[in-house]
Amino acid sequence: SQTIHQWPATLVQPVGSPLSLECTVEGTSNPNLYWYRQAAGRGLQLLFYSVGIGQISSEVPQNLSASRPQDRQFILSSKKLLLSDSGFYLCAWTRAAGPEAFFGQGTRLTVV
Amino acid sequence: AQKVTQAQTEISVVEKEDVTLDCVYETRDTTYYLFWYKQPPSGELVFLIRRNSFDEQNEISGRYSWNFQKSTSSFNFTITASQVVDSAVYFCALSGRTSGGYQKVTFGTGTKLQVIP
Repeated sequence: SQTIHQWPATLVQPVGSPLSLECTVEGTSNPNLYWYRQAAGRGLQLLFYSVGIGQISSEVPQNLSASRPQDRQFILSSKKLLLSDSGFYLCAWTRAAGPEAFFGQGTRLTVV
Repeated sequence: AQKVTQAQTEISVVEKEDVTLDCVYETRDTTYYLFWYKQPPSGELVFLIRRNSFDEQNEISGRYSWNFQKSTSSFNFTITASQVVDSAVYFCALSGRTSGGYQKVTFGTGTKLQVIP
């Protein structure tokens, strides 16, 4: 069966510090991978998606970047965090043929 | 462009009452999928149901039922005899394939359901 792992679960970082969130998928090959952000009291906003190694597309301009160094690994990064980067970050995957998305357990990021 | 609207921000019901969560969507695609996800306080998103655009049959799963109506672009979710464990944020979502070849899932803003014992 397929599983998705996302870590860390919670993170408190000072403004200006770097960020690295990691997500890995097991039990499937060539998944489509996604990073979503959920701001407090709001829905989920798609940040990045990837259909293959090294292929990253951004949905919204922001202070964050994403990378996919391996088929089943997706990393969300920032060089310098802003207060507005606080939120709940969710990694997700879909089969290449779709359609439903399966989510990791999320990372609650607080920038102080 | 895809859009999902969940007009109900928060709903409170007393345990054992029935409750319906509304979802209205917009899409230009002829083939698309609709979903409901549950987000308990722990934060993880739990997949509840998927419906494709060609299947308008209503579905019942235990205390949960879903009413999909293409004519009104709605995909409503009813919980019968609600329980405290149903307290969560519920998201409606729409998925369609983009010209870029990926599956884009658009979420509504969620409805927070509180079931009071």
